[in-house]
Amino acid sequence: DGGITQSPKYLFRKEGQNVTLSCEQNLNHDAMYWYRQDPGQGLRLIYYSQIVNDFQKGDIAEGYSVSREKKESFPLTVTSAQKNPTAFYLCASSKEGDFYEQYFGPGTRLTVT
Amino acid sequence: GNSVTQMEGPVTLSEEAFLTINCTYTATGYPSLFWYVQYPGEGLQLLLKATKADDKGSNKGFEATYRKETTSFHLEKGSVQVSDSAVYFCAPSGGSYIPTFGRGTSLIVHP
Repeated sequence: DGGITQSPKYLFRKEGQNVTLSCEQNLNHDAMYWYRQDPGQGLRLIYYSQIVNDFQKGDIAEGYSVSREKKESFPLTVTSAQKNPTAFYLCASSKEGDFYEQYFGPGTRLTVT
Repeated sequence: GNSVTQMEGPVTLSEEAFLTINCTYTATGYPSLFWYVQYPGEGLQLLLKATKADDKGSNKGFEATYRKETTSFHLEKGSVQVSDSAVYFCAPSGGSYIPTFGRGTSLIVHP
């Protein structure tokens, strides 16, 4: 079955450590996205990529980094510079010509203490 | 840029009640309109969409009509079930290839 996988489901880290969240899709979609979701808030865009080897900052990119070396993979690194990293992180993808219809992964809940 | 306003939740209903979740938007041009649903602990999934004025999107008993004159896309269901308990997001398309998500409206359905 085609879809998006995110791993792990739950992640715990100590403050000051960098952590990388995985996102893989086998939908052959060109575009991929990372969102952050906090309780009672909507989705906030961190980074997005419309093509391999290219990505753009979203609304809250500070303290995060990404890479897009392969079409099917878009990992997100939460660096120690991110002041409030504890959140639910969602990865999504969409196909060219239909960017607004997004397919989401199950999410990773990151807790930093 | 685009913006979207959803009614605040939580919306609490008894099973078989009628549901309306209001959504209004501002956008340049003629956006496509989407409703996504997020079940507890999961990612979002597309519920329905409409791409032009007066179109009605429908899925799983939910409906929403693209009202250009009132810039609205209200979500309705005639008879909700406990399994409909989730957070619902309204999302108009935008000019930058990124949808604009509303803050989400939590629906709680009691047996």
